[in-house]
Amino acid sequence: EDQVTQSPEALRLQEGESSSLNCSYTVSGLRGLFWYRQDPGKGPEFLFTLYSAGEEKEKERLKATLTKKESFLHITAPKPEDSATYLCAVFQTGANNLFFGTGTRLTVIP
Amino acid sequence: NAGVTQTPKFQVLKTGQSMTLQCAQDMNHEYMSWYRQDPGMGLRLIHYSVGAGITDQGEVPNGYNVSRSTTEDFPLRLLSAAPSQTSVYFCASSYARDKGYTFGSGTRLTVV
Repeated sequence: EDQVTQSPEALRLQEGESSSLNCSYTVSGLRGLFWYRQDPGKGPEFLFTLYSAGEEKEKERLKATLTKKESFLHITAPKPEDSATYLCAVFQTGANNLFFGTGTRLTVIP
Repeated sequence: NAGVTQTPKFQVLKTGQSMTLQCAQDMNHEYMSWYRQDPGMGLRLIHYSVGAGITDQGEVPNGYNVSRSTTEDFPLRLLSAAPSQTSVYFCASSYARDKGYTFGSGTRLTVV
């Protein structure tokens, strides 16, 4: 069964402590992998799209990478304002929509 | 630009009542969709539209109807509310279904 799995479910970091979030997928015919940020009580906010293995995208303290089986969202020297839930989603050949993982809830402690 | 606007932000319904969740976008996006978000589950697609006059079902369409008479608006109708429809509902739009979506701020619905 096609699946998108995000780990860990929750992550607590000290300010400045770099780490990575994982999104593994088993869908066939990947056409795109998406990262979103969601703050409490708000809708997801688009961060990145990755289309092929080896591709990398960066935005401020965030860097997303993609392999044939997973994607990583690296957070370098995080700040408290980076606290949010990070969602991963995939779009596969023949699909009508994005398929979302359940997210990683990141808390950055000052 | 306002982006994607959803109303209302909060709603409480009694079982069996009907209502319409409104969604409007001002980005001239062809693709629009409705998702529901429940604790411990990923966002799940209810219905989607690839343009005015064209709609189709997603993963969890039962109990919901949609229509798309204009590019801008994509309302979601609950026909006869059930407690299982208690959720947070998000509307999203994009210029293509395989591109980054812009989401609204959500409607938190409680059915009692």
